[in-house]
Amino acid sequence: KAGVTQTPRYLIKTRGQQVTLSCSPISGHRSVSWYQQTPGQGLQFLFEYFSETQRNKGNFPGRFSGRQFSNSRSEMNVSTLELGDSALYLCASSPYATGATGYTFGSGTRLTVV
Amino acid sequence: QQQVKQSPQSLIVQKGGISIINCAYENTAFDYFPWYQQFPGKGPALLIAIRPDVSEKKEGRFTISFNKSAKQFSLHIMDSQPGDSATYFCAASMSTSGTYKYIFGTGTRLKVLA
Repeated sequence: KAGVTQTPRYLIKTRGQQVTLSCSPISGHRSVSWYQQTPGQGLQFLFEYFSETQRNKGNFPGRFSGRQFSNSRSEMNVSTLELGDSALYLCASSPYATGATGYTFGSGTRLTVV
Repeated sequence: QQQVKQSPQSLIVQKGGISIINCAYENTAFDYFPWYQQFPGKGPALLIAIRPDVSEKKEGRFTISFNKSAKQFSLHIMDSQPGDSATYFCAASMSTSGTYKYIFGTGTRLKVLA
């Protein structure tokens, strides 16, 4: 059974540019969540989607956005990149609407903003 | 009230020893407490989890001890092995508007010496 797939694995972008990251959840999983991981802040919740609807949102500026498609695949977009956006972006999927029993994480996309 | 405080930040243990990582929370609405293990270059993987109606849960060499009155929970790794060297995150989650919102600790980097 394939795990959570995130693409690309690595990205280098210039300050001011925008970026789109992709996440394919485990087959049958309909809940997808996104996290930002940095050495100083740990894992910070970005947003959660279920059935194409955003159900929860963390405390990030509006430059961070996401969406989910009908096949449960999800994308997140960061516009007007800042140096501080450099981080590992993790996607997690869950088979349940509530995500209550815990996530399965992907390996992440390492974004470097220069 | 939304924070989960994790300690220590880093831990060095001899092979065969016991590794203990502690977490504390404030919000009594939390009702699911998972631990995640993360190896370099990988996303966090669910290790073991507990609900507050149980004081202890054991899975192999890994045990969660839960103290509801003190609002603390800890991970014990018995007979620690070099392969256990990883970063460990505790988390706490609660239902918010029909979905589960996860708050992660800041992580503990464990190194087990051979």
